[in-house]
Amino acid sequence: DTAVSQTPKYLVTQMGNDKSIKCEQNLGHDTMYWYKQDSKKFLKIMFSYNNKELIINETVPNRFSPKSPDKAHLNLHINSLELGDSAVYFCASSQVWGGNYGYTFGSGTRLTVV
Amino acid sequence: SQELEQSPQSLIVQEGKNLTINCTSSKTLYGLYWYKQKYGEGLIFLMMLQKGGEEKSHEKITAKLDEKKQQSSLHITASQPSHAGIYLCGADQGAQKLVFGQGTRLTINP
Repeated sequence: DTAVSQTPKYLVTQMGNDKSIKCEQNLGHDTMYWYKQDSKKFLKIMFSYNNKELIINETVPNRFSPKSPDKAHLNLHINSLELGDSAVYFCASSQVWGGNYGYTFGSGTRLTVV
Repeated sequence: SQELEQSPQSLIVQEGKNLTINCTSSKTLYGLYWYKQKYGEGLIFLMMLQKGGEEKSHEKITAKLDEKKQQSSLHITASQPSHAGIYLCGADQGAQKLVFGQGTRLTINP
């Protein structure tokens, strides 16, 4: 049973297209995240949602729009894709444990814009 | 904002040797996480440290958080090919926001 699952695993698309990445967690966690890992392997937070409500939006272009239909799902829609959007996108979830947080990551979606 | 600096950025060791990866924070650490990433895979949680002076071990991997809570180290004893990957330290920055270091790429030569 996969705890945090993302689809698709790989995505190759042309500049200007619109694409979506889906994420689901079966851990019962309240908070979900999107992280972006660039070509230098730097991992940075993009968004977080707590119980379907946007908590963090880290200066991400408004071409990126997260959507959380329920607390187990957080999808990422990207409009007008650009070459610089090529990266690995990770979904994660967390629940508070004992005052600190445990984070579980999905296996990533490798997006290539050509 | 908090920044994490990992060293070294890249490490090549002979199988069976010990190694250490360091993670230094620009601010006091209130929750420090170590993750491992293999190519094409997600992040695997290794350990989380909270208290100054805390040390945790799992199999051949030991992580420590210094007393001042600004530096953590990850030590691998008798390295094996299965230890190869990218090691990332992450720090809680409040509001459930995890900030990561730039990663350390570990290669194990047989």
